[in-house]
Amino acid sequence: NAGVMQNPRHLVRRRGQEARLRCSPMKGHSHVYWYRQLPEEGLKFMVYLQKENIIDESGMPKERFSAEFPKEGPSILRIQQVVRGDSAAYFCASSPRTRGGETQYFGPGTRLLVL
Amino acid sequence: GNSVTQMEGPVTLSEEAFLTINCTYTATGYPSLFWYVQYPGEGLQLLLKATKADDKGSNKGFEATYRKETTSFHLEKGSVQVSDSAVYFCALIMNRDDKIIFGKGTRLHILP
Repeated sequence: NAGVMQNPRHLVRRRGQEARLRCSPMKGHSHVYWYRQLPEEGLKFMVYLQKENIIDESGMPKERFSAEFPKEGPSILRIQQVVRGDSAAYFCASSPRTRGGETQYFGPGTRLLVL
Repeated sequence: GNSVTQMEGPVTLSEEAFLTINCTYTATGYPSLFWYVQYPGEGLQLLLKATKADDKGSNKGFEATYRKETTSFHLEKGSVQVSDSAVYFCALIMNRDDKIIFGKGTRLHILP
């Protein structure tokens, strides 16, 4: 299966802990996007990355959140010192991107619960 | 700014009923339009898309037509099944942009 892979699928953290979410894009895709879905809401864009570069992080909270997409390995969304309001589903998407506006293909998501 | 508005749910229908989920958009240019579907506990799957005015996207019996004059992209299906129960998201992306803008989603329940 060459789809977008995310792990873990479910993650439970206590307030103040760190959460690390991983995303492997579809084969042949070099562009990764992270979105957050709050309960009963649509998805909101967080960040767009290419290998070793953050292209657009306009949707990222200013503190505690960071993302990377290293040359080797998956993209990582990192949330430090989690709070209850971080509880949400985090989805990763990927695209081949040649000029922008392409279809993005989504992974199954990581559902984060902060106790 | 650019935005998507879709009808609020939940929508409850009987099996074999006709389905319409309304979606309208606001955009400063000419976006591509999408419908994504999210089954319980799963991620989003692309259902269909249209990239320019008057295009019709279709898949699995669902259809939506890109209407520039009414800035709409309503989702329709002639005869729904229980397995269509899910949350449906209308979305847009602007050309040369990198972020998809989603509506809030419409939850659909199909009763046997």
